[in-house]
Amino acid sequence: NAGVTQTPKFRVLKTGQSMTLLCAQDMNHEYMYWYRQDPGMGLRLIHYSVGEGTTAKGEVPDGYNVSRLKKQNFLLGLESAAPSQTSVYFCASRDSGTGGKNIQYFGAGTRLSVL
Amino acid sequence: DAKTTQPNSMESNEEEPVHLPCNHSTISGTDYIHWYRQLPSQGPEYVIHGLTSNVNNRMASLAIAEDRKSSTLILHRATLRDAAVYYCILRAVTSQGAQKLVFGQGTRLTINP
Repeated sequence: NAGVTQTPKFRVLKTGQSMTLLCAQDMNHEYMYWYRQDPGMGLRLIHYSVGEGTTAKGEVPDGYNVSRLKKQNFLLGLESAAPSQTSVYFCASRDSGTGGKNIQYFGAGTRLSVL
Repeated sequence: DAKTTQPNSMESNEEEPVHLPCNHSTISGTDYIHWYRQLPSQGPEYVIHGLTSNVNNRMASLAIAEDRKSSTLILHRATLRDAAVYYCILRAVTSQGAQKLVFGQGTRLTINP
């Protein structure tokens, strides 16, 4: 019953450091997403993937890179962390159903602080 | 992207019904209405969705206005575990044609014991 698993759960970085957030899903979903959530706000889409080997930019992609080498994994990278990237990061996945079926399943989040 | 408008916060009492409103006056004919909720310190979770007809599931009911410009999420008997931020979302499409969810600020629901 794992669903969507994010690692790590918490991380503190210094400005300029790099790190990778890992998202893994066991539901054989085609689509995967990375969002960020700042205090008091809704989620904003960073990058997404519609299948293995594909990635695309969302609303706020600057400063982030992603890779989807395996269908079950979606990695979010910060090459040179900045304080503005302090946020909670959520990963989500969904199947490729059409019409109204757009149910996304979310992970528990990664809390990142950049000092 | 079509926009939704929700009250910032609402308060209710335990074991009473809760009606969470959402306005979406710019909705298009093919837009589904989705509701998600986010419990404290957790990721969002799907609640319900609908197109034109009212919908029921084990978590909630969704009442959609005849002109589809508004909808109401109904929790029939609120419990303390229903305290969360509730998001009303219309389906949107990225510039590459993929479906996406656009989250607003949502309604923060407080349940009093």
